[in-house]
This record gives sequence, C-alpha cells and structure tokens, in this order.
Amino acid sequence: DTAVSQTPKYLVTQMGNDKSIKCEQNLGHDTMYWYKQDSKKFLKIMFSYNNKELIINETVPNRFSPKSPDKAHLNLHINSLELGDSAVYFCASSLRGAGARGYGYTFGSGTRLTVV
Amino acid sequence: SQELEQSPQSLIVQEGKNLTINCTSSKTLYGLYWYKQKYGEGLIFLMMLQKGGEEKSHEKITAKLDEKKQQSSLHITASQPSHAGIYLCGALLFGNEKLTFGTGTRLTIIP
Repeated sequence: DTAVSQTPKYLVTQMGNDKSIKCEQNLGHDTMYWYKQDSKKFLKIMFSYNNKELIINETVPNRFSPKSPDKAHLNLHINSLELGDSAVYFCASSLRGAGARGYGYTFGSGTRLTVV
Repeated sequence: SQELEQSPQSLIVQEGKNLTINCTSSKTLYGLYWYKQKYGEGLIFLMMLQKGGEEKSHEKITAKLDEKKQQSSLHITASQPSHAGIYLCGALLFGNEKLTFGTGTRLTIIP
C-alpha cells in the first residue's frame, strides 16, 4: 500500500494551460504539504494544510491554488502555466507537531511537470 | 542565503571509500532529517536526529547531530554503488512546523 501517492507521475503541458496534481495519504496524518524541487534539486515548501486548514503559504504566485477536500487529500491546481513552473512537485504528510515528537515526514514519489 | 547549507554540493568517491556530508544551520534545530533521493524517484527517509550529540546508524550510514544542534554530518563507510544519489538534509527550526531543506549533495560512486 502506497502511503503518500501522487498523480500523475509525469505531466507535460503547454504554456498557458491549467493543470492539477493530486495527492492522497492513507497514514492518518493530519498535516499535508506541497514542496517544489527546482532544476538544482533544491526543495522548497509551498503550502501546508492541517486538517483542511491552510497553515503555511510561502511566497508562491497566486496561480498556484491548493485544495484540501479532507485531511487525506491535498491537491495542487496551477493556472496559466509558465515555463518556470517546470519542476518536480512533492507532496508530503506528517502528524501535527511531528518534529517535536520525533515523528517522520513521509513524501510522495513526486510529479515531474514540464511546461513547453 | 540559505537557512541550511550542505557541503559538498557534489562528491565523487571510489567504491569502498568512506565519505562525509555536512549540513549546517545558523539557527538551533529541533529536528534534523536525512533523506536520499535517486534520480526520478521520491525521497527516502534515512534518519532523524533530535538531541544534541545524538548519533544513529543504519547499515553503513551514520548520522550525528552536534551538541549545539546546529550541525549534522552523514558518514558512509565502505561506499557502494547503491549509495549513489542525492542526499538532502531537512530541518525543523524552533517555532516552525515546516521542514526546510538544504541544498543537497550529489554523490557519485565510481567502481
């Protein structure tokens, strides 16, 4: 059973299109995240949701809109895609306060988005 | 500047040799994670360190967090081709729930 699953794994699309990436976790975690990994492999957080509530929103263009229908799902919708959006997007989940208790973060396998 | 610096950025090591990767923060950490990523794959959790001076080992990989909780090192003994990949340190800073990542170290093992 996949703990954190993302779909699709690969996404190639043209500039200006709107696309969504889905993420689901079956770990019973209450916090979910979206990270972006650029071409230099640097991972940076974009959003975090706890129990469907947005708790972290880094400086991300408002073309990116996360949606959490329930605590097991966190989807990422991107409007008007640009070349610079090409990257690998990782979804992750954890228990709230995981770090303080020594719990781990579990990452999905990533979605490689290529904008042409 | 990055909150978390990793060094070196890339490392080429002959199979069988030992190596060390460092992760340094200017702030005190309350959790330090090490992950490994192979090309085109997700992040594989290696270890998590919380206490100053803590050291953990898994197979031939050992990670340590210094007493001040601002620096961690990852040491691989007798490296093998399976160790090749990108190693990322991720840290939880005090008062911050988000996991902040270092710049990554690309490890290549040559036969």
